[in-house]
Amino acid sequence: EDQVTQSPEALRLQEGESSSLNCSYTVSGLRGLFWYRQDPGKGPEFLFTLYSAGEEKEKERLKATLTKKESFLHITAPKPEDSATYLCAVQAYGGYQKVTFGIGTKLQVIP
Amino acid sequence: GAVVSQHPSRVICKSGTSVKIECRSLDFQATTMFWYRQFPKQSLMLMATSNEGSKATYEQGVEKDKFLINHASLTLSTLTVTSAHPEDSSFYICSARDGGNRGYTFGSGTRLTVV
Repeated sequence: EDQVTQSPEALRLQEGESSSLNCSYTVSGLRGLFWYRQDPGKGPEFLFTLYSAGEEKEKERLKATLTKKESFLHITAPKPEDSATYLCAVQAYGGYQKVTFGIGTKLQVIP
Repeated sequence: GAVVSQHPSRVICKSGTSVKIECRSLDFQATTMFWYRQFPKQSLMLMATSNEGSKATYEQGVEKDKFLINHASLTLSTLTVTSAHPEDSSFYICSARDGGNRGYTFGSGTRLTVV
């Protein structure tokens, strides 16, 4: 069974204080790993898709990296508007496109 | 970019009544849509996969007769919670893939409260 574990569960940063969120995964054969941002009471907003170990993607202050066992979401010089819950999810080959989500990391950036 | 519209955003219903939630892909066709349920401080749990023109595929433990899914067109899937009870109160979210490199696009979610 596919599993996704995210850490930490919650993270509080000062504005400008860079940090990383971790996503450890177990999957039979990785088809894709996704990062989403979710604001309270809203649906997840797509950030990145990573497909193979060594791949990196960037968007503004966010950078996602992937290894064979985990993914990191690096946040550089965060701003208060980056406060949200960040979700990691994986999809395995085969099956019927099922995506398995982690519980998320709730990030709070303090001015 | 791909947009998935979900309505209503909030609904309060009485116990024993039924509630329908709509999920529309606005600028792309979706042969497959997904319905999730999210409890506070928990991850999104896939309830069912909705297939256009055929029966939905339900995850283990999800009652087919309680959560009716209809995917009558390439842009619309509906989830009907039948005979709702307070324990059905939750945040329901739909998603679809637009075929690009964007992963899965999610609707804005529906907060269901059964009183």
